[in-house]
Amino acid sequence: GAVVSQHPSRVICKSGTSVKIECRSLDFQATTMFWYRQFPKKSLMLMATSNEGSKATYEQGVEKDKFLINHASLTLSTLTVTSAHPEDSSFYICSALLAGGPDTQYFGPGTRLTVL
Amino acid sequence: AQSVTQPDIHITVSEGASLELRCNYSYGATPYLFWYVQSPGQGLQLLLKYFSGDTLVQGIKGFEAEFKRSQSSFNLRKPSVHWSDAAEYFCAVGNDYKLSFGAGTTVTVRA
Repeated sequence: GAVVSQHPSRVICKSGTSVKIECRSLDFQATTMFWYRQFPKKSLMLMATSNEGSKATYEQGVEKDKFLINHASLTLSTLTVTSAHPEDSSFYICSALLAGGPDTQYFGPGTRLTVL
Repeated sequence: AQSVTQPDIHITVSEGASLELRCNYSYGATPYLFWYVQSPGQGLQLLLKYFSGDTLVQGIKGFEAEFKRSQSSFNLRKPSVHWSDAAEYFCAVGNDYKLSFGAGTTVTVRA
């Protein structure tokens, strides 16, 4: 149980285009999901907290107009990187919070974004 | 503020040998503590977690961790390492649903 999927697993796009990444909780409902960014050989950096039916909460230094987050249902959150540039190239990982009792985050497999 | 320190950036261990990964945390109250493992190009898999109760926690894949409040530590151990254990290991502390991660420890397993 507690499986989280991400789509696509990898994407290559041209500079200036937008890319949407989906995060789904497959066997549980998640009112809260998180988006992380991971640089090579580095730890995970929390970008934002996504709450179903409300606006996302962004961490300090993360541009909310650049990284659009939508959490339209209890099993789906999307991250859209708008007007992507090469510096946005990274590994993006989402997680979903399994509520009820001690809360635990379950992570998706990640999406490798490369912006040319 | 909460923070996590993993003192060892890289550990090399022989297959069949024991493994211990160190984790120290800074947190004002009783922490929720986690260990995750990440294989190359993959997401994170939860190995084990501690919320309360027994300070020795058993996880998946033969891993265990011990919470020591006096030392602010939550070290991960495995008695006998398999080649498939080669990966990146992250310790994390949680609060208000948010996780703070350590920098990670890379484990290399030699034959």
